[in-house]
Formats: sequence, structure tokens, C-alpha cells
Amino acid sequence: DVKVTQSSRYLVKRTGEKVFLECVQDMDHENMFWYRQDPGLGLRLIYFSYDVKMKEKGDIPEGYSVSREKKERFSLILESASTNQTSMYLCASSSRAREYQETQYFGPGTRLLVL
Amino acid sequence: AQSVTQPDIHITVSEGASLELRCNYSYGATPYLFWYVQSPGQGLQLLLKYFSGDTLVQGIKGFEAEFKRSQSSFNLRKPSVHWSDAAEYFCAVGLGGNKLVFGAGTILRVKS
Repeated sequence: DVKVTQSSRYLVKRTGEKVFLECVQDMDHENMFWYRQDPGLGLRLIYFSYDVKMKEKGDIPEGYSVSREKKERFSLILESASTNQTSMYLCASSSRAREYQETQYFGPGTRLLVL
Repeated sequence: AQSVTQPDIHITVSEGASLELRCNYSYGATPYLFWYVQSPGQGLQLLLKYFSGDTLVQGIKGFEAEFKRSQSSFNLRKPSVHWSDAAEYFCAVGLGGNKLVFGAGTILRVKS
């Protein structure tokens, strides 16, 4: 089974702090994703990486950056946390799409509270 | 623009009753379609997916979904709901590639 793990389940930070959210997958997937989940808005894509050191902006990249130095690890960085970044953050991974759409596999999520 | 609509924010059904969760999408071509479930405090788990072929797709936990091209719909069904099915359900579509677009989700409550 695919396993996607996230470094923290719950995190409390102060406004202005630099925040790192870590995600690791064990299935040698090329693609990794960071989503933000808010009630009534579903999942919105923040950033996507299709290879080591490669990244692509999603729908809501403002205020976030990412890092992918190793294939299995994808980090989301909040350079200066703000209260409107309080949310649930979900990491996912998938194989690179070939003939069809590849299934994304999700981690358990990190619930971030910014005070 | 690509979009996915789940018209029902909340649905409450009695245990043992049947269930149908609605999903409509807006695309020019035939999309790839997914249903995911999220139990409280958890990540998303894949229930089922449709890529091509038979438009009625069977998934895990007794769920099924039917793709109807004429209605741009991919509704999720279960004949008899169990209390453990209480969760949030997300419909998602892809155009063949690496990214998915998700609906806003439907929260299912099961009353005993």
C-alpha cells in the first residue's frame, strides 16, 4: 500500500513565524502535491512538483513556497505565517500520468493554527 | 474554466437507508472521475474511479457511482448506509494528466 506521511498532525504557530510542513511518500512517485482544505471550499492546490527540484504553482500559491530536494520528500514553507493561513494542509502523491489520469494518494493532513 | 459542483453541502440519512451524493462537472472532453472519502481528522481515501468503459463503477465499502455523459454527472450511491459511513465525500475530476480539481465536498450524517 502507498503510504504518505506528514510530519505533524497538529501545529500551533505565531503570526510572522516561518513554518515548515513536511511530507514523505514511500512509493517512488514522481508527483507530489500540497493542498489546502477549508470548509465549503474543498481542496485547493497550492503547489505541485513533478520531479526533484521541479515545482509548479497551483491555484493559491501566494504566501507559500515549496522545496523538493529528494524524490520522496516535499516540503511546504510558510515564509511568514498569517492568521488567514490557519487551515488543514494535505499532501498527496501520484505516479506520473501516462495513458490515463493517475490516482493521488493522500497523507493524514496537518491542522495548522496561526495565532 | 474547469469546475466540479457538489450541490449538497450536508446530507442526513437514517442508518440502513439508501444514499445518493451528487456530482456535476464542467469540461469539454470526457474527464477522469474520482470519489474520495475523508473520515473526521483523516486524509482522503479513494473510494472509486472512472476512466473508461462500463459507466457503472464499483468501489470499496459497498459504494458505486454512475457516469452519465448527457448529464455531466458522476453520482455516488450506496444501497444501505452504515453509521461508519458518516464522513465528508469529495468528487474530483482530471483531464488526463497529473492534476485534479475537487468539489467542495458533501458532509454525510447518519442517524440511528
